[in-house]
Amino acid sequence: DVKVTQSSRYLVKRTGEKVFLECVQDMDHENMFWYRQDPGLGLRLIYFSYDVKMKEKGDIPEGYSVSREKKERFSLILESASTNQTSMYLCASSFPASGHPYQETQYFGPGTRLLVL
Amino acid sequence: DAKTTQPTSMDCAEGRAANLPCNHSTISGNEYVYWYRQIHSQGPQYIIHGLKNNETNEMASLIITEDRKSSTLILPHATLRDTAVYYCLFGVNRDDKIIFGKGTRLHILP
Repeated sequence: DVKVTQSSRYLVKRTGEKVFLECVQDMDHENMFWYRQDPGLGLRLIYFSYDVKMKEKGDIPEGYSVSREKKERFSLILESASTNQTSMYLCASSFPASGHPYQETQYFGPGTRLLVL
Repeated sequence: DAKTTQPTSMDCAEGRAANLPCNHSTISGNEYVYWYRQIHSQGPQYIIHGLKNNETNEMASLIITEDRKSSTLILPHATLRDTAVYYCLFGVNRDDKIIFGKGTRLHILP
């Protein structure tokens, strides 16, 4: 089974702190994603990466950066946390299915619930 | 904005079939329709996907209309554990950002 793990289930940080959220997948997937989920807004894509050291902005990249130094690990960085970044953060990974380069099933981690005070 | 339209919520009696509709009128010919669900406090879980033909797996069936502008996810015998938010989406081209939308909150009633 594919396993996507996130470093913390719950995290409490103070405004202005630098925050690292780590995600690791064990299936050699090329693609990795970071989403945030807020009540009434559904899942929103922050960043995704389709290869090591490659990244692309999603719909709401402002206030975030990412790092993909190794294929299995994708980090989300909040350079200076703010209260409006209090949210549930979800990491996912996917691998293009053979014969269908644009067919990707995403596998999600359990999520990190971040509270910024 | 989400590219799919789903009801905000639905109820279904336990043991009955749950039929969840989704409109995706802007889908293009090579884009798959995907369904995921999210049980409370967990990450989304893949259910099923399809292109043109109807699909079935151990979790659900997917019925796609001939014009591909809409689809229906069918849970044949809903249980209380199927209570979740169900997301329909498409657009998995690398240049096309995947948008989950708000999904349908399915309540299974005992």
